[in-house]
Amino acid sequence: DTGVSQDPRHKITKRGQNVTFRCDPISEHNRLYWYRQTLGQGPEFLTYFQNEAQLEKSRLLSDRFSAERPKGSFSTLEIQRTEQGDSAMYLCASRQGQGALSPLHFGNGTRLTVT
Amino acid sequence: GEDVEQSLFLSVREGDSSVINCTYTDSSSTYLYWYKQEPGAGLQLLTYIFSNMDMKQDQRLTVLLNKKDKHLSLRIADTQTGDSAIYFCAETYNQGGKLIFGQGTELSVKP
Repeated sequence: DTGVSQDPRHKITKRGQNVTFRCDPISEHNRLYWYRQTLGQGPEFLTYFQNEAQLEKSRLLSDRFSAERPKGSFSTLEIQRTEQGDSAMYLCASRQGQGALSPLHFGNGTRLTVT
Repeated sequence: GEDVEQSLFLSVREGDSSVINCTYTDSSSTYLYWYKQEPGAGLQLLTYIFSNMDMKQDQRLTVLLNKKDKHLSLRIADTQTGDSAIYFCAETYNQGGKLIFGQGTELSVKP
């Protein structure tokens, strides 16, 4: 399977704990995006990378959130001191090239539940 | 700022046509997309249209774009029960290619 892969599929954590998610994009896709989706809503943009450079971060991305893409391939999204409001589906997507022409390919997401 | 709106629910009978509507506010949108999301899954790209087009057809799918009214629609011909899902409209306008999504329309297809 050469699609976007996310791990884990599900994560249950207690409030205050740190969690880390991983995304493996489609090979050779230089752009990688993180989105968050809550129930009944569309995905909301969090941040994106071109290769290893983080080029844009949403206002939604508080200082408890940090994302990295150290070698320009896989990416991690870490949430520190989780809160119940962080419960959501975290989606990763990738694309090849610049501009809007190449479509985004999404992974199946990591569902986070904070208890 | 940019905003994308969709009606939340649509119910049709199998074999009928479905029309899902979307409005957007950003007149500088360059590409508009339709994605499909099935339960527990990520988003699957169905089709997209450039802002300088007004129609695109792809098998059972027809996309209509009214740029003046900032209105986009997706028509699914001969709707099947397997088409039941949530459909998201999305736009992009900048070089980052960041997509702004609507809240999704849940399509229910009754046999």
